Amino acid sequence: EIVLTQSPGTLSLSPGERATLSCRASQSLSRNYLAWYRQKPGQAPRLLIYGASSRATGIPDRFSGSGSGTDFTLIISRLEPEDFAVYYCQQYGSSYTFGQGTKLEI
Amino acid sequence: EVQLWESGGNLVQPGGSLRLSCAASGFIFSSYVMTWVRQTPGKGLEWISSISGSGGDTYYADSAKGRFTMSRDNSKNTVYLQMFSLRAEDTAVYYCAKGPQFDGFSFWGQGTVVTVSS
Repeated sequence: EIVLTQSPGTLSLSPGERATLSCRASQSLSRNYLAWYRQKPGQAPRLLIYGASSRATGIPDRFSGSGSGTDFTLIISRLEPEDFAVYYCQQYGSSYTFGQGTKLEI
Repeated sequence: EVQLWESGGNLVQPGGSLRLSCAASGFIFSSYVMTWVRQTPGKGLEWISSISGSGGDTYYADSAKGRFTMSRDNSKNTVYLQMFSLRAEDTAVYYCAKGPQFDGFSFWGQGTVVTVSS
């Protein structure tokens, strides 16, 4: 099973600032099948990024994903109030596993 | 607009059974793999099962093998998760999701709560 480790566990920032979230895989991901999701309290996760760097439909360009192999990054360039939530990475190249999440708090 | 609506969650005793349903709309249902994912405070998000568009192929996490059965009815645009021999550790919010395709799990339902307790 591929284990995904996200860091940091909690990130404290202010609106307008830049957020950098990391996701490390225990082994190299095939085809860079790495996705990022945002989950607001009481809601389902929402797909932000797939294939490590492609934005999902309707996702603003302040969200960007990068990385390959075992190291991946999600950057939110200018935080909006609705961005304060929990973010999960997920690999879908070898079965499906999720990271433990990064909480982005004000 | 893609919509997924789960139902069937409930309080059930250990050893009991439950069937979850997920009704879909807004896309060509039979063309897509569908998936169940659950979420608990302790274990986070956990993939449970996926089913091919035709329903001919199903895949299960080790935690679900032998106890859970995923199926679909393409005439009703609905997927199901039949759960048997439920345990306390099956207590979770259960989500159905569209995919995976090349774009991961592209859309999720709002979830349904399963509580296993005496």
